[in-house]
Amino acid sequence: EVQLVQSGAEVKKPGESLEISCKGSGYSFSNYWIAWVRQMPGKGLEWMGIIFRGDSDTRYNPSFQGQVNISVDKSLSTAYLQWSSLKASDTAMYYCARPIMGRGVFISLDYWGQGTLVTVSS
Amino acid sequence: QSALTQPPSASGSPGQSVTISCTGTSSDVGGYNYVSWYQQHPGKAPKLMIYEVSKRPSGVPDRFSGSKSGNTASLTVSGLQAEDEADYYCSSYAASNNLGVFGGGTKLTVL
Repeated sequence: EVQLVQSGAEVKKPGESLEISCKGSGYSFSNYWIAWVRQMPGKGLEWMGIIFRGDSDTRYNPSFQGQVNISVDKSLSTAYLQWSSLKASDTAMYYCARPIMGRGVFISLDYWGQGTLVTVSS
Repeated sequence: QSALTQPPSASGSPGQSVTISCTGTSSDVGGYNYVSWYQQHPGKAPKLMIYEVSKRPSGVPDRFSGSKSGNTASLTVSGLQAEDEADYYCSSYAASNNLGVFGGGTKLTVL
């Protein structure tokens, strides 16, 4: 069974750093991309970016470029979403998901993690 | 990249059909057959319901169907059931960012 299991909820202060994780199992993690999606409270879904093997295979939504860092450790079947300096506006639910790609083009997100709630408040 | 346009709400009575639209541009919805639809119940992660415009993943009831005409894709839910009440999001590949773009979401209410 394909599963994406995310790390637990976080409460942080503005300016702090944070890394959340997404561990895949039940499939060949190294052969698939991982996507990160943001959902702010009461709002819709937003693409953040996707990663395959590393920096050379990472695409960011321009709205998130420079705001977050996406990385992956294929040996641990785990993807990461990192912030170096959180803002209150980063408060949101963050989902990882498995994109189905066709010739490098995104087709759909077929499996999703359970979400990680990040709360940033002074 | 602007979000795809969906109506904020839709409703129907049990047993009826309802259609939710998703309008984009020739650079996303209209240019590629890579439209997908997601169902999200409150407090839950989204679930893939339709991919590549009209294909259903295993386990999704055939009451859910998708189509596309020009720059507008549609999700139709036939034979509405109480458990279909949820938020629905469309998504498409977007050439502008070589990623994807979501619609703003539609809250489906079963009356």
